[in-house]
Amino acid sequence: GAGVSQSPRYKVAKRGQDVALRCDPISGHVSLFWYQQALGQGPEFLTYFQNEAQLDKSGLPSDRFFAERPEGSVSTLKIQRTQQEDSAVYLCASSPGVVGDGTGELFFGEGSRLTVL
Amino acid sequence: GQNIDQPTEMTATEGAIVQINCTYQTSGFNGLFWYQQHAGEAPTFLSYNVLDGLEEKGRFSSFLSRSKGYSYLLLKELQMKDSASYLCAVLDSNYQLIWGAGTKLIIKP
Repeated sequence: GAGVSQSPRYKVAKRGQDVALRCDPISGHVSLFWYQQALGQGPEFLTYFQNEAQLDKSGLPSDRFFAERPEGSVSTLKIQRTQQEDSAVYLCASSPGVVGDGTGELFFGEGSRLTVL
Repeated sequence: GQNIDQPTEMTATEGAIVQINCTYQTSGFNGLFWYQQHAGEAPTFLSYNVLDGLEEKGRFSSFLSRSKGYSYLLLKELQMKDSASYLCAVLDSNYQLIWGAGTKLIIKP
């Protein structure tokens, strides 16, 4: 597709349920980022992939959060045993270059809005 | 700690000019970005500044002063469609993007 695609757009989960959020980046983009955005706040960094390598996962809030990008394209963010504080919009962004190449333009998906009841 | 400050909300009139300020304190600096985000949509790239000065792009301009840790986004000839949140983000020394909370801009007729 022409842009970054995320699914599902909306997910309602019961507390304790596991969820998986998918991101299809722009074809050929090397870098992929996951962000968590609470209402009225800026995106908070979760993790960064360069191709299939997860180079930075320092933003993942707990060991219940896990992300993978096994073939260097599609990525999945998995949240185990969801809690109410996990309710947020999860944004995926991709970039053609690598972190530090000076461009910084990220192409964002429309996000997956997770509501944990 | 790392900190990016921008006003929470601003109001302006259609056809007017508005300036949205951003101040930052980060671990290193590798550039500052402005993104526009309409409610319920993804952020979209507006500008990137790494050197001091003014970058003009159509109705939008962005200014940077590294010595002051300060940037502003200037929007001219405001249109109703400019109603959105404007996010300031800084690329720090680890090349992580640190985001501000965003400024909600309300345009009135």
